[in-house]
Amino acid sequence: DIQLTQSPSTLSASIGDTVTITCRASQTILRWLAWYQQKPGKAPQLLLHRGSVLESGVSSRFSGSGYGTEFSLTISSLQPDDFATYYCQHYKNYQYSFGQGTRLEMK
Amino acid sequence: QVQLVQSGAEVKRPGASVKVSCKASGYTFTNNYIYWVRQAPGQGLEWMGIINPSDVTTRYAQKFKGRVTMTRDTSTSTVYMELSSLRSEDTAVYYCARDREAAASDYWGQGTLVTVSS
Repeated sequence: DIQLTQSPSTLSASIGDTVTITCRASQTILRWLAWYQQKPGKAPQLLLHRGSVLESGVSSRFSGSGYGTEFSLTISSLQPDDFATYYCQHYKNYQYSFGQGTRLEMK
Repeated sequence: QVQLVQSGAEVKRPGASVKVSCKASGYTFTNNYIYWVRQAPGQGLEWMGIINPSDVTTRYAQKFKGRVTMTRDTSTSTVYMELSSLRSEDTAVYYCARDREAAASDYWGQGTLVTVSS
């Protein structure tokens, strides 16, 4: 099974900051990586797929990069609504998995 | 509009089984795989397995093989996830999600809380 390791586990930031979350895969997943945002009591919401493709309707303040085993999610100009938990997910060959999550909290 | 509507909360005894449903609407049911994810209280997302509603093929995460069964009913556009031999560690919110292959999952069900308690 492919393991995904996110860092950091918790991130403290302020409104207007730019932050980056990384996701490392235990083996290559090419570009088959998605990023989700989840708020308490809600289902995850897709932000990006194929590593860097912004989902329709998602703010351009979210961007992704990476290929193979190293990926990152960058959120620029943090807004109050961005404070949530973020997960990476690989979706290759119908054996998917998630990173352990990164909680973005207000400093 | 696309919707995935899940069945309601369940309380089960240890050793019992639970069957959660996920009713799809707003798109052609057999065009997209559906998968299941669970989230224990205060924990992260855990992928359980996936079903192709078109031909009923399934793939399960190693952790759940032998305990999980995913099925579908095309007459009602509903996918089911049954988990057996429940234990307290299975207490979680269970989600279904629509898979778009190369474009990941755009729609999710609202979640179903399953509580396992004696």
